[in-house]
Amino acid sequence: QQQVKQSPQSLIVQKGGISIINCAYENTAFDYFPWYQQFPGKGPALLIAIRPDVSEKKEGRFTISFNKSAKQFSLHIMDSQPGDSATYFCAASSAGGTSYGKLTFGQGTILTVHP
Amino acid sequence: SQTIHQWPATLVQPVGSPLSLECTVEGTSNPNLYWYRQAAGRGLQLLFYSVGIGQISSEVPQNLSASRPQDRQFILSSKKLLLSDSGFYLCAWSMLTGLSYNSPLHFGNGTRLTVT
Repeated sequence: QQQVKQSPQSLIVQKGGISIINCAYENTAFDYFPWYQQFPGKGPALLIAIRPDVSEKKEGRFTISFNKSAKQFSLHIMDSQPGDSATYFCAASSAGGTSYGKLTFGQGTILTVHP
Repeated sequence: SQTIHQWPATLVQPVGSPLSLECTVEGTSNPNLYWYRQAAGRGLQLLFYSVGIGQISSEVPQNLSASRPQDRQFILSSKKLLLSDSGFYLCAWSMLTGLSYNSPLHFGNGTRLTVT
């Protein structure tokens, strides 16, 4: 019930295309859903996050779509650029219960954007 | 602004040798501190987290231990390394109020440990 399932494992997109990464969760107590971006040899960096009381959050070319009833959320990268090539992680946590203070991460998606 | 420091960046250690990885956070007080391990460049596994000095919670039984001797210092240790301890170790911090939209998790740049 603590799992976050992420797909696809890898994704290849042409420059200017749309990259879409999907995540699904089971724990209905989750109330915080961040996405992290990780470049090789570096720690993950927070990219964008959403709360379950909104269905969409947009920051520049990055958008999170959230479907509470389906327990799914996704990251859309518009106009993908070679510099977006990285590993992306979705994650979830809850403000209370046994998940307090802990993020449950998806397995990651390796995104490659070809020029 | 807050910063997190981890060292060393890379480490090669023989099997059976001890380990000590250090992490410090600057610019904040009473942070929650975390150790994660990332194997094969992919998933992130929470190893330990701490909500205060001397308060350590272990998530996964293993060959490792953690200590928090000071408010903003977190140390990951092992008495005898195993081959399976190889990986990318990440320290992270969040505000004491816990993880939320207004209190995200911030990672350091990690230590690449290779056990030979």
